[in-house]
Amino acid sequence: QQQVKQSPQSLIVQKGGISIINCAYENTAFDYFPWYQQFPGKGPALLIAIRPDVSEKKEGRFTISFNKSAKQFSLHIMDSQPGDSATYFCAASMGTGANNLFFGTGTRLTVIP
Amino acid sequence: DAGVIQSPRHEVTEMGQEVTLRCKPISGHDYLFWYRQTMMRGLELLIYFNNNVPIDDSGMPEDRFSAKMPNASFSTLKIQPSEPRDSAVYFCASRRDGGTIYFGEGSWLTVV
Repeated sequence: QQQVKQSPQSLIVQKGGISIINCAYENTAFDYFPWYQQFPGKGPALLIAIRPDVSEKKEGRFTISFNKSAKQFSLHIMDSQPGDSATYFCAASMGTGANNLFFGTGTRLTVIP
Repeated sequence: DAGVIQSPRHEVTEMGQEVTLRCKPISGHDYLFWYRQTMMRGLELLIYFNNNVPIDDSGMPEDRFSAKMPNASFSTLKIQPSEPRDSAVYFCASRRDGGTIYFGEGSWLTVV
């Protein structure tokens, strides 16, 4: 059973456009929601994370929007660049220091020039 | 600072052979994780250690898989005997208490 559902599976965006990736969860005990970025041949790297006490968090061109009542969160990449082309994973856990991150299935983003 | 170091980066082995994957966590990190990534199942936690002690191995798929952490700077994941369905990327990751999880670059295993 997939604890975190992620969509779309793949996404193609023009340079300068907005990339949006969505995730949904069921377990209301989750209270830490990170996003990871993975380049081919590399391990996932933490991109940005949010806790459910805020509805939005922004770091540079990356923004997480969080809807606690709908149990959904999304990643927005503004002004998408070819260098953003990677696979993005949402995840959820019970606490920052939790030892089991439940990952979404990933979204392969391609930004075309 | 050096990141999580894994070896080998790529391994091709025949079904039935023993496979040993190695990991050196980031110095000072007291949690170590082994994850497996496949197209079908995505990223899954196999086992994690705290201060070299295995805490949760409920993700280990079956008895053919075993993991050890003899000291704070080294861990192994062993598959014996290996099967084609074990083909995957195996990631080691580590973190300090309350900190962010850092992943290694993975060991790409192909069992033929």
